[in-house]
Amino acid sequence: AQTVTQSQPEMSVQEAETVTLSCTYDTSESDYYLFWYKQPPSRQMILVIRQEAYKQQNATENRFSVNFQKAAKSFSLKISDSQLGDAAMYFCPWSSGSRLTFGEGTQLTVNP
Amino acid sequence: DAGVIQSPRHEVTEMGQEVTLRCKPISGHDYLFWYRQTMMRGLELLIYFNNNVPIDDSGMPEDRFSAKMPNASFSTLKIQPSEPRDSAVYFCASSNYVSLNQPQHFGDGTRLSIL
Repeated sequence: AQTVTQSQPEMSVQEAETVTLSCTYDTSESDYYLFWYKQPPSRQMILVIRQEAYKQQNATENRFSVNFQKAAKSFSLKISDSQLGDAAMYFCPWSSGSRLTFGEGTQLTVNP
Repeated sequence: DAGVIQSPRHEVTEMGQEVTLRCKPISGHDYLFWYRQTMMRGLELLIYFNNNVPIDDSGMPEDRFSAKMPNASFSTLKIQPSEPRDSAVYFCASSNYVSLNQPQHFGDGTRLSIL
């Protein structure tokens, strides 16, 4: 089965510090894309960052960056200078075509 | 630009009633997805359409659920008859697959409560 595993149901970080959220996936596809979405209490699903599997360079978007290890099928998200607004549920779905496969998510708490 | 628009935002109804959820995708997007989110099962893909045609409905839980997309700007997800276990947040998402890396854009979801 093609799955996504987020092994940390909950994480917490102090404001202004750095936190890394883990994600592993299992797929037999050779060409695919990985995403991180955040879902704050407002329940919107907001795209944070995306990574193409064929690219070796890790994606970066302002304070958000990924560590993509294709051989290990690992796709972690690093949030630098954490802000209170970063508190949310984070999901790391992957896609090889039109459909996204989601994991169970990681609930991130940011402490002031 | 307007995002994906879902209505209603909240729906509370009694068991056995028909429920219709509505979605307007982003203009120009040719894929539309319906998801269900629960604490127990997380985010599940129910069905998706390409150019108004259902492509994969394998996630639709049972015959009580049906989805339609009569045109490029409107889709419905219907539950008839509804049951308490259908209580969940239902999301609609759309995307434009010029290439694989186009992300799905989600609506704000409909929180459905079946009493």
